[in-house]
Amino acid sequence: EIVLTQSPGTLSLSPGERATLSCRASQSVSSSYLAWYQQKPGQAPRLLIYGASSRATGIPDRFSGSGSGTDFTLTISRLEPEDFAVYYCQQYGSSGTFGQGTKLEIK
Amino acid sequence: EVQLVESGGGLVQPGRSLRLSCAASGFTFDDYAMHWVRQAPGKGLEWVSGISWNSGSIGYADSVKGRFTISRDNAKNSLYLQMNSLRAEDTALYYCARERGYSYGTNAFDIWGQGTMVTVSS
Repeated sequence: EIVLTQSPGTLSLSPGERATLSCRASQSVSSSYLAWYQQKPGQAPRLLIYGASSRATGIPDRFSGSGSGTDFTLTISRLEPEDFAVYYCQQYGSSGTFGQGTKLEIK
Repeated sequence: EVQLVESGGGLVQPGRSLRLSCAASGFTFDDYAMHWVRQAPGKGLEWVSGISWNSGSIGYADSVKGRFTISRDNAKNSLYLQMNSLRAEDTALYYCARERGYSYGTNAFDIWGQGTMVTVSS
């Protein structure tokens, strides 16, 4: 089973800054079957990125994904107030394992 | 409007059973694989189980294998999760989620319900 490790656990930044979130897999993720989700308190997760780098429908272009193999990154170019949330990576080949999450909080 | 609505959660004693349902609307249900994902209070997301469009491919997390059974009824646009031998550690909000395609395990989850809470306690 592939284990996903996200870092950092908590990221404290200010609006307008750039956020870089990391997701590392214990073994290679096939065909870049890697997704990123955003979850705000009391809400269901929302798909941001699939296939490691493709933005889901309606997602602003300040969100971008990159990486392959075992190392993946979610970048938010300029933080908006509504971007402060918890972010999860997921590999969706054979099972849908999630990382433990990164909390992005306002500094 | 594309929508998933879960139901069937509640308080149940350890060792008992519960059946969750997920009603889909606003899209062609049998064009998509479907999944259950859970989130314990204050914790992260845990994938539970998934099923392909025609029930031909099914998978379970190790933590629920042998106790939970996923199924679907395409005529009723519904997804189910039969949960047996429930444990305290199964306490969580259970989400129904749509995979972005009909195959199982090839795409991300693009539509999520609001979840139904399951509490296992004596």
